[in-house]
Amino acid sequence: KQEVTQIPAALSVPEGENLVLNCSFTDSAIYNLQWFRQDPGKGLTSLLLIQSSQREQTSGRLNASLDKSSGRSTLYIAASQPGDSATYLCAVRRSDYKLSFGAGTTVTVRA
Amino acid sequence: KAGVTQTPRYLIKTRGQQVTLSCSPISGHRSVSWYQQTPGQGLQFLFEYFSETQRNKGNFPGRFSGRQFSNSRSEMNVSTLELGDSALYLCASSLPDTFPNTEAFFGQGTRLTVV
Repeated sequence: KQEVTQIPAALSVPEGENLVLNCSFTDSAIYNLQWFRQDPGKGLTSLLLIQSSQREQTSGRLNASLDKSSGRSTLYIAASQPGDSATYLCAVRRSDYKLSFGAGTTVTVRA
Repeated sequence: KAGVTQTPRYLIKTRGQQVTLSCSPISGHRSVSWYQQTPGQGLQFLFEYFSETQRNKGNFPGRFSGRQFSNSRSEMNVSTLELGDSALYLCASSLPDTFPNTEAFFGQGTRLTVV
C-alpha cells in the first residue's frame, strides 16, 4: 500500500525566505509525482508534475526534485511572498492509476 | 480554455437523503476521477471513469456511485446520507492518452454538509 507523508504539517516563515517542503512515499514504483496548492475551501491547483524518469522540474520560483530510489520529493519556493500562503499537497500516481495524497503542509508567509 | 467545473458549489442535505454532484472535465479530457476530502482522512480516492466505464474504485461503501456520459461529464451519487459524508468532494480530469505522464486538473469542489 502506497503511503505518502509530508513533513512538517505546518510552516511559518517571514516574507523573502526560501521555503522547503518535503514529501516521502513508501513504494518507489510510481509513474509520476504532482505538487498541488490548495487555498482554504477551494480546489487543488496543479503546480508541477515530475515524471518518474525526471530528477527535477522548474516553474518560475518553484523547483521540485524527485529521488525515486529513496522515495522522496522536495518542493522549493524561492523568495516567499504572503500570496504563497496556502496548503501544499504532493500526490504520487500509482501503477493502478490512482493518486495517493499526502496530508499537506500548511504554509504561512508573514509580511 | 475552461477548467474543470463542478456543480453545485455548496449543498446542505439531511441524513437519509440522497445527493447528486456533477463534474464537467476540461474539453478533450476523457478521464474523470472523484475524491473525498475531510479534515480527518485527507484526500481519498472514490472512483475513476474513462470512456463511460468505471476503471478504478476506492474503498467506499456501495452508497457511493458514479457514472460518466458520452460527453465525458460525470456525476457521483451518494444515497442514504450519513453525517460522516460531510466533506469537500473534488473532481479531477486528465488526458489518459498521456499515461503514465498524466497530469490531473481539479475543480473547485462541492462542499456537502449533512445535517
